[in-house]
Amino acid sequence: DTAVSQTPKYLVTQMGNDKSIKCEQNLGHDTMYWYKQDSKKFLKIMFSYNNKELIINETVPNRFSPKSPDKAHLNLHINSLELGDSAVYFCASSPTADTQYFGPGTRLTVL
Amino acid sequence: QKEVEQNSGPLSVPEGAIASLNCTYSDRGSQSFFWYRQYSGKSPELIMSIYSNGDKEDGRFTAQLNKASQYVSLLIRDSQPSDSATYLCAVRWGLGSARQLTFGSGTQLTVLP
Repeated sequence: DTAVSQTPKYLVTQMGNDKSIKCEQNLGHDTMYWYKQDSKKFLKIMFSYNNKELIINETVPNRFSPKSPDKAHLNLHINSLELGDSAVYFCASSPTADTQYFGPGTRLTVL
Repeated sequence: QKEVEQNSGPLSVPEGAIASLNCTYSDRGSQSFFWYRQYSGKSPELIMSIYSNGDKEDGRFTAQLNKASQYVSLLIRDSQPSDSATYLCAVRWGLGSARQLTFGSGTQLTVLP
């Protein structure tokens, strides 16, 4: 049983398109996160949700909009994709913020 | 601005040697510190956490914390080729449900057979 799953694993798209990434966790954790990891491996938090409520919203363009339909799911929608959005996006869940369980990542390539 | 800095490497050590990875952080009030390991093309996984000054050992891994110097390190004894990965230092800050981790940029370790 996969603890934190993400779909799709790879996403290749043109500039200006809109795309979504889905994340699901079956660990029963209340808190979920989205991270962006750039080509230099720098892992930066974008959002966190606690029991469907937005808690952390770092300085992220408003083209990025997270949605949490329930505490097991956290999706990320990106409008008007730009070249600089190319990165690996990780979803994570955690019971306490200390131990974070990461999904396998979604490699987004914007052409 | 909460910052976590690591030597990006790459760091190469021969098999069986001790690998030493270092990390400094900017927020003097930070209380919780972590090391995550990330294999190429995979997601990060937690390998060590440390909360008090001093050393914490877990198998071949030892985490060291010096809050006065705002310094965290990870020692890997008897390094194996399977230890080759990027090691991410992370520091927790914030309260309650707003707690979050700030990660360093990682140190890429290669253990040579």
